[in-house]
Amino acid sequence: AQSVTQPDIHITVSEGASLELRCNYSYGATPYLFWYVQSPGQGLQLLLKYFSGDTLVQGIKGFEAEFKRSQSSFNLRKPSVHWSDAAEYFCAVGGNAGNNRKLIWGLGTSLAVNP
Amino acid sequence: DTGVSQNPRHKITKRGQNVTFRCDPISEHNRLYWYRQTLGQGPEFLTYFQNEAQLEKSRLLSDRFSAERPKGSFSTLEIQRTEQGDSAMYLCASSLLAGQETQYFGPGTRLLVL
Repeated sequence: AQSVTQPDIHITVSEGASLELRCNYSYGATPYLFWYVQSPGQGLQLLLKYFSGDTLVQGIKGFEAEFKRSQSSFNLRKPSVHWSDAAEYFCAVGGNAGNNRKLIWGLGTSLAVNP
Repeated sequence: DTGVSQNPRHKITKRGQNVTFRCDPISEHNRLYWYRQTLGQGPEFLTYFQNEAQLEKSRLLSDRFSAERPKGSFSTLEIQRTEQGDSAMYLCASSLLAGQETQYFGPGTRLLVL
């Protein structure tokens, strides 16, 4: 079955600290992987995506993620968190073949940032 | 590029009433997706269109739900005889069909059924 697991429901970090949000997926074919961020009352903003090639991808706002096929993981990282990064983060997986490219989503990780 | 827009942003209705939401995709995008998101959950796929054709509907989409994209541009999602369980955020995304397809989301319509 296709699924995405984000093991951490809620994470709190101090401003300036490093951050890693975990994402594991189960997908029968070669996956496309995405991280989106959602601020309260807002829609989903794309942070970064992985389709192929270099397994370390850079995104907006200083975020990066690394695709590890052997671990079925796509963890999101940021070296120094800013207070404005407080939000809900979603990992999603989609297909790269066939007609329906619907995304399968994790439950999200809520990030709080202490001043 | 004005992004994906959705209207209304908020809707409060009484149980049993019909509601309709609109989504305007990014202009050159030929694919349009609807998702539903409840509190504490990730989005769940409802349906998608390629141009004006509705190509797949989730089992989540009961007979009370109908979606259209009449001219391959904007789309509407109608819920008939709303129930309290329909309360959720309804998200629309659009994309350009390509080998590396990326979905861009609108701000969502938050529905509250009383």
